[in-house]
Amino acid sequence: SQTIHQWPATLVQPVGSPLSLECTVEGTSNPNLYWYRQAAGRGLQLLFYSVGIGQISSEVPQNLSASRPQDRQFILSSKKLLLSDSGFYLCAAGRNTEAFFGQGTRLTVV
Amino acid sequence: AQSVTQLDSQVPVFEEAPVELRCNYSSSVSVYLFWYVQYPNQGLQLLLKYLSGSTLVESINGFEAEFNKSQTSFHLRKPSVHLSDTAEYFCAVNAGGTSYGKLTFGQGTILTVHP
Repeated sequence: SQTIHQWPATLVQPVGSPLSLECTVEGTSNPNLYWYRQAAGRGLQLLFYSVGIGQISSEVPQNLSASRPQDRQFILSSKKLLLSDSGFYLCAAGRNTEAFFGQGTRLTVV
Repeated sequence: AQSVTQLDSQVPVFEEAPVELRCNYSSSVSVYLFWYVQYPNQGLQLLLKYLSGSTLVESINGFEAEFNKSQTSFHLRKPSVHLSDTAEYFCAVNAGGTSYGKLTFGQGTILTVHP
C-alpha cells in the first residue's frame, strides 16, 4: 500500500523567510502528486500537481512554487513567505481512482 | 469544471443518534465521488467512494453514501454514531481518467458527537 511522508509536521516561520516542505511517496511508482492547502475555516485548495518528474502544473497564482526532482519526491517552496501562506499543507498521491494523503504540515507565518 | 457544496458547516448530534451530512456537486462531465474524514491535525483518510455501479456505497465503520444523479447529491449517513466519529468530513469529486488525486473539495462539515 502507499505511504505518504511529509515533514516537518509543524513549522513556524517569520514573514520574508524561505520555505521548503518535502513529500516522499512509498509503495508505488509514477504516481500523480499533489499539494493542497487548507486555510483556517476553509476547505482544501489544490495548489500544484505533477504527472511526472519535472512536470508541474499550478492551479492558482501565488507566492509558492513546486518541484519534482525524483519520481516519488515532491517539494513545495517559497523564497519569501507571506502571512497569508499560513495553513495546513497536505501532499497527496493519486493512483487507481484514489488519492492518498500525508499527515500534513502546519505552517504558521509570524 | 466541478464544484462541491456541503450544506452544513457544523452538525452536532448525540451519541447513538442517526446523522446525515449533505453534499451536492455540479459538473459538466461524469465524476467520481468521495468522502474523506479528517481528525484534528491529521491528513485525510478515505471513507468511501463512488465510481460506478451500485449507487449505495458503504464503509467498514458503518457509514454509507448514496449517489443520486438526478439530484446531483452524494449524502453521507450513519444510523448510529459514536463519540469516535467526531471529526471533519469532506466531500470531493474527481473527473477521473488520468487525474486521480485532482480533487475538488467541499468546505467540510464538522461532526461533533455528544455523550
